[in-house]
Amino acid sequence: QVRLVQSGAEVKSPGASVKISCKASGYNFKNLVIHWVRQAPGQGLEWMGWINGDNGNTKYSEKFQGRVIFTRDTSASTAYMEVYSLRSEGTAVYYCARRYSNYLYNWFDPWGQGTLVTVSS
Amino acid sequence: EIVLTQSPGTLSLSPGERATLSCRASQSMTTNYLAWYQQKPGQAPRLLLYGASNRAPGIPDRFSGSGSGTDFTLTISRLEPEDFAVYYCHRCGNSPPYTFGPGTRLEIK
Repeated sequence: QVRLVQSGAEVKSPGASVKISCKASGYNFKNLVIHWVRQAPGQGLEWMGWINGDNGNTKYSEKFQGRVIFTRDTSASTAYMEVYSLRSEGTAVYYCARRYSNYLYNWFDPWGQGTLVTVSS
Repeated sequence: EIVLTQSPGTLSLSPGERATLSCRASQSMTTNYLAWYQQKPGQAPRLLLYGASNRAPGIPDRFSGSGSGTDFTLTISRLEPEDFAVYYCHRCGNSPPYTFGPGTRLEIK
């Protein structure tokens, strides 16, 4: 079964960038579509976008377009998200999740354990 | 863009009681694309239901879902202590955006 393991917590200064990894195991990475979701402290879930593990195609939420970049390394079965020009609002837990899709249904499962990014001067 | 709203924002109940959580879409959406997740503090969301009413593997049968069009419901028939958490509905279709509802916090009364 698919398992997603994310990199550890980060503390960054305002204006800095952060790169988070999401390593997949138990499945052919090229068959995965990995989505990224942000959760600010005490807040709900916010979809950020996705990357296709096979061809590297990406789609970004309008809110995050131009502020994040998704990449992947198929040899390492790992997806990455880099967030640029961090601001205090960027303090959040960032999750990766696999979007499962068949001819009828879609859902996000599994999820990574989350990566806390703290933006603080 | 479809917007999901959830009600109530917070639901206070006791173990053994029945919980009914609502998710409303701003426009009619395909039932197949509605999922529900449970999230406990410090944990990632956990898939409960997909296609509005299909339980994910390992999910107890006290969890059920219904609805179509714009109105969807998650029902927990008899609350167990471990069910107190935040619940999110999610539009998970074939194209973005993959909108989440704001969540319903289910707390112990």
